[in-house]
Amino acid sequence: AQSVAQPEDQVNVAEGNPLTVKCTYSVSGNPYLFWYVQYPNRGLQFLLKYITGDNLVKGSYGFEAEFNKSQTSFHLKKPSALVSDSALYFCAVRVPYSGAGSYQLTFGKGTKLSVIP
Amino acid sequence: DAGVIQSPRHEVTEMGQEVTLRCKPISGHDYLFWYRQTMMRGLELLIYFNNNVPIDDSGMPEDRFSAKMPNASFSTLKIQPSEPRDSAVYFCASSPSNRPGTEAFFGQGTRLTVV
Repeated sequence: AQSVAQPEDQVNVAEGNPLTVKCTYSVSGNPYLFWYVQYPNRGLQFLLKYITGDNLVKGSYGFEAEFNKSQTSFHLKKPSALVSDSALYFCAVRVPYSGAGSYQLTFGKGTKLSVIP
Repeated sequence: DAGVIQSPRHEVTEMGQEVTLRCKPISGHDYLFWYRQTMMRGLELLIYFNNNVPIDDSGMPEDRFSAKMPNASFSTLKIQPSEPRDSAVYFCASSPSNRPGTEAFFGQGTRLTVV
């Protein structure tokens, strides 16, 4: 079974500082990894994904994530945090095609990011 | 496209009543998902459909929950009878395919409160 862990319930960072939101995963086979963001009273919005290729993936709003196969991690990063980045961030994992119609997307519990002015 | 549309946005109901949540996926998307979000359990996949056919309903908590997708543009999640522990935010999402590079698109959710 596939699983995702986000070890921090909350991350606080000062505006202008770099931020990191951690994610580790467990799957059989090569993973497909995603980051989503949820603003208050909104649905989840896609940020970025890793499918294959370059381990550093760039996404929306200046975010990037680094895939590390040996550490089974996919941490989300941003060089300079904005107050408007404050939100709930979810990491998610999929496994490759495993049967007709299959689509197993598993989310972590989420990390609340607070950027302090 | 307007994205995934869910209705209602908020629902307050009394314990024992039937509740129906509605979802319109993005046109052309073959996959539709129902998720439940709570503080304690995070995001849980309840059920998903491929081409209107339920593929995996192992996340449906109990027989009080049922989901249907009568056509490609509409799905419902029904709870009958509802209980206070069903209070949560329910999200619908859709995806164009199950190819690795495709992501799921989420609606804004229905906040359900059962009193």
